[in-house]
Amino acid sequence: EAGVTQFPSHSVIEKGQTVTLRCDPISGHDNLYWYRRVMGKEIKFLLHFVKESKQDESGMPNNRFLAERTGGTYSTLKVQPAELEDSGVYFCASSQSSRQGYIQYFGAGTRLSVL
Amino acid sequence: AQSVTQLGSHVSVSEGALVLLRCNYSSSVPPYLFWYVQYPNQGLQLLLKYTSAATLVKGINGFEAEFKKSETSFHLTKPSAHMSDAAEYFCAVSEDQAGTALIFGKGTTLSVSS
Repeated sequence: EAGVTQFPSHSVIEKGQTVTLRCDPISGHDNLYWYRRVMGKEIKFLLHFVKESKQDESGMPNNRFLAERTGGTYSTLKVQPAELEDSGVYFCASSQSSRQGYIQYFGAGTRLSVL
Repeated sequence: AQSVTQLGSHVSVSEGALVLLRCNYSSSVPPYLFWYVQYPNQGLQLLLKYTSAATLVKGINGFEAEFKKSETSFHLTKPSAHMSDAAEYFCAVSEDQAGTALIFGKGTTLSVSS
């Protein structure tokens, strides 16, 4: 079974440009999460989808960030326009409900560098 | 509000030595606690989780963690380190099992020398 897939693995852009990150969750997982780790800091929650609906977007830093999950499958996270402080590693995770609780499975992340 | 503190951003041990990675949490509700590991160029992998059952939790690769409510701690241990254990380890807390966001500590990088 394929895990959570993210691409690109690394993106280098200039300040003011637009970047779109993509996440393909594990097949059948209704829950999809985005997290971000800025260098030297902890991994922080951005938002949570349940199928195609945004369940919690309390961690989104500002309106330059737009997340979508069309059809409840893959998700994209667009940053427009990118700023220097947006640099970091963006992780995606997915989960499904089970008796053991919702275990979040993570992708390898996208490293975003804004110059 | 919930929070997680991992003491020591970098821990170095010799192969065969005890591994102890410290995690303290703050939570106003009974917490759900997790340890994840990230190997280079890979995603975070769940090592183990505490969900209010047994206080001593056994995970993969010989790791275990003990939930101590009185100390608000969930330290990760392994009796004998292996070179392959070198990675970054993250402690995380959630207020429930129903899919809410994880709150992470800053991570601890474990180095293992021969």
